[in-house]
Amino acid sequence: GAVVSQHPSWVICKSGTSVKIECRSLDFQATTMFWYRQFPKQSLMLMATSNEGSKATYEQGVEKDKFLINHASLTLSTLTVTSAHPEDSSFYICSASSGARGNQPQHFGDGTRLSIL
Amino acid sequence: AQKITQTQPGMFVQEKEAVTLDCTYDTSDQSYGLFWYKQPSSGEMIFLIYQGSYDEQNATEGRYSLNFQKARKSANLVISASQLGDSAMYFCAMRGDNTGNQFYFGTGTSLTVIP
Repeated sequence: GAVVSQHPSWVICKSGTSVKIECRSLDFQATTMFWYRQFPKQSLMLMATSNEGSKATYEQGVEKDKFLINHASLTLSTLTVTSAHPEDSSFYICSASSGARGNQPQHFGDGTRLSIL
Repeated sequence: AQKITQTQPGMFVQEKEAVTLDCTYDTSDQSYGLFWYKQPSSGEMIFLIYQGSYDEQNATEGRYSLNFQKARKSANLVISASQLGDSAMYFCAMRGDNTGNQFYFGTGTSLTVIP
């Protein structure tokens, strides 16, 4: 089955640090990847849609200068949380889809738990 | 507009019993897909089952089945013979052919299986 790898799983760092999270589709080409943020006991909140070779589309209220997304290839997208602060602490999870048809599921990475001290 | 509603924040089920997790949806798309995902406490999202809007038969995958009632716009997940490992959050999601790649998720149901 389709596999999406997300790295790192855990990050603990000081306030002001920039953190990069990688999302890779291991056995399929992902024209589109998604980045979600999830607070405890809540649903996934879509942050942005990342298309290979073009600028990401950010959801309303998500700061594009704060959350930099790069989708340089069909198998890799990165999310960089710039100058992270404690309020950025959260669970970030990426997903990828091999196509845009309604019957194609998104395949998720295992998520990254980010803690900013 | 696309919307997914899960009205059960938490559910309990006795081990080996069956449980139904509710999901209703609203969409203007004629063609769409409905998905269920499981999220254990470790955080990963596990794809469980898919139902297409034009599928005439309810989807089944092992102990998971989807009770699809198109006229009522409902896509309930049925888990048979519950196991302790089924304790997790369950999310219903929808994707429309005319809404690009975006998935719409419900708020989730927390299922606890009691030994």
